[in-house]
Amino acid sequence: EVQLVESGGGLVQPGGSLRLSCVASGFTFSSYWMSWVRQAPGKGLEWVANIKEDGGEINYADSVKGRFTISRDNAKNSPFLQMNSLRVEDTAVYYCARETVAATDGKSYFDYWGQGTLVTVSS
Amino acid sequence: QSVLTQPPSVSGAPGQRVTISCTGSSSNIGAGYDVHWYQQLPGAAPKLLIHGNSNRPSGVPDRFSGSKSGTSASLAITGLHAEDEADYFCHCYDFSLNGYVFGTGTKVTVL
Repeated sequence: EVQLVESGGGLVQPGGSLRLSCVASGFTFSSYWMSWVRQAPGKGLEWVANIKEDGGEINYADSVKGRFTISRDNAKNSPFLQMNSLRVEDTAVYYCARETVAATDGKSYFDYWGQGTLVTVSS
Repeated sequence: QSVLTQPPSVSGAPGQRVTISCTGSSSNIGAGYDVHWYQQLPGAAPKLLIHGNSNRPSGVPDRFSGSKSGTSASLAITGLHAEDEADYFCHCYDFSLNGYVFGTGTKVTVL
C-alpha cells in the first residue's frame, strides 16, 4: 500500500524558516517524481515544486521561487521542502504527492497524496 | 492564482447527473496537455478521480467520467450519491508558467 506521511509543519513568524519532510512507503521511491502541493485555509490547491527521480531536475512555482528549496534522499525514501523567508500568504496545508508521468503528454498527474502538514505563518 | 476556471458550486438530487466544467487557455488545456480531476472529501486530502482526460483509476466508480474539448474539460457524475458531496479540482500543465496548475475548485452538494 502506498503511503506518504508529512511532518515538520508548525507556527512560524514572518521571515522565518521551516523544513518539511515526507516519508514514502509501498513503492519504489527512486522511480518517481515527487511534488509538494499546498492549500491555504478554505482555498484551492496550488502546486509548489517538484523534483525528478534522481534529483537532477527541479521546478518551482513563481510564488515560491528563490525562497523554497525542494530536495530528496532516495536512501531514506523522503522528499523535503526547505522554506525560507516565509510570508503570511504561505500559510497552508502542505501535501506531499507522488507523480505518475502520463505516456500521452509526458506530464504528470498526482496519484497518491499524504495527509498534509499545516504551516502557519503569523506574528 | 488559478488559471483554470471552474464553477464555484453545483448541486443535484440523488440519482441526478451533474457536470463540472474546467476552462483553460491555449497554454494549458488548449495546448493538448491532459486534464486530471481530484475529489477532496471534507477534512481529507485530495484523491485522484480521473487521469488523462477520461481514465478512471482502479476503485473509482464508473459514474464518474471525464472529457476534454478545445480549451475546456468536463467532469460528469451520473447517478449522484450522497457520498459524492465534496470539492472537485481539475489539473493540467501550463507551458507558459512551466508548471502545474489547478482549477479554482467546485463544491458539489447533494440535495
